[in-house]
Amino acid sequence: DAGVIQSPRHEVTEMGQEVTLRCKPISGHDYLFWYRQTMMRGLELLIYFNNNVPIDDSGMPEDRFSAKMPNASFSTLKIQPSEPRDSAVYFCATGDGLNTEAFFGQGTRLTVV
Amino acid sequence: GEDVEQSLFLSVREGDSSVINCTYTDSSSTYLYWYKQEPGAGLQLLTYIFSNMDMKQDQRLTVLLNKKDKHLSLRIADTQTGDSAIYFCASGAGSYQLTFGKGTKLSVIP
Repeated sequence: DAGVIQSPRHEVTEMGQEVTLRCKPISGHDYLFWYRQTMMRGLELLIYFNNNVPIDDSGMPEDRFSAKMPNASFSTLKIQPSEPRDSAVYFCATGDGLNTEAFFGQGTRLTVV
Repeated sequence: GEDVEQSLFLSVREGDSSVINCTYTDSSSTYLYWYKQEPGAGLQLLTYIFSNMDMKQDQRLTVLLNKKDKHLSLRIADTQTGDSAIYFCASGAGSYQLTFGKGTKLSVIP
């Protein structure tokens, strides 16, 4: 397995634009997590899914953020409209719920100008 | 909410031992983890310890847990330049309930 695959690796967009981040989980993993990493706040859990169903979205900062998992092999995190303070590295991670380890993708570095 | 605290920076000379410390607040944590993040990469699990253990050793890595004080440490013996990275402490009850610290940046001086 190629691991957790995120795209794009880097995204630069103008304030007000819609941004969509993508994640392909490891096959067979039924937990998927979206994290945001900033210097100020460290690593924050935004939302996680189990079997494609959102379980806890209490970390989603605002209504401008939304996440979907239409099937077991794909998830998106959308920001609309984007703001400069959304600039961060966004990580997708997956796990099988039975194991102790969450496997991380390489992240998407988002810059909103 | 639950919290995990760790110092932000540590600098050591190559060949010395590194000790990265962490404190956590969630007394119900089942597992305590150490993740490593290299530049431009995601987090990679280094090691973890069950909350009912005091110590775990894995080659150059030694994890010590003081459950009473909610203190976790990671010791890297014979630190190499390739160990330079950010190390995250995390507590949780499984892969879906992790609380991360802000990370300790380890710099290894040749």
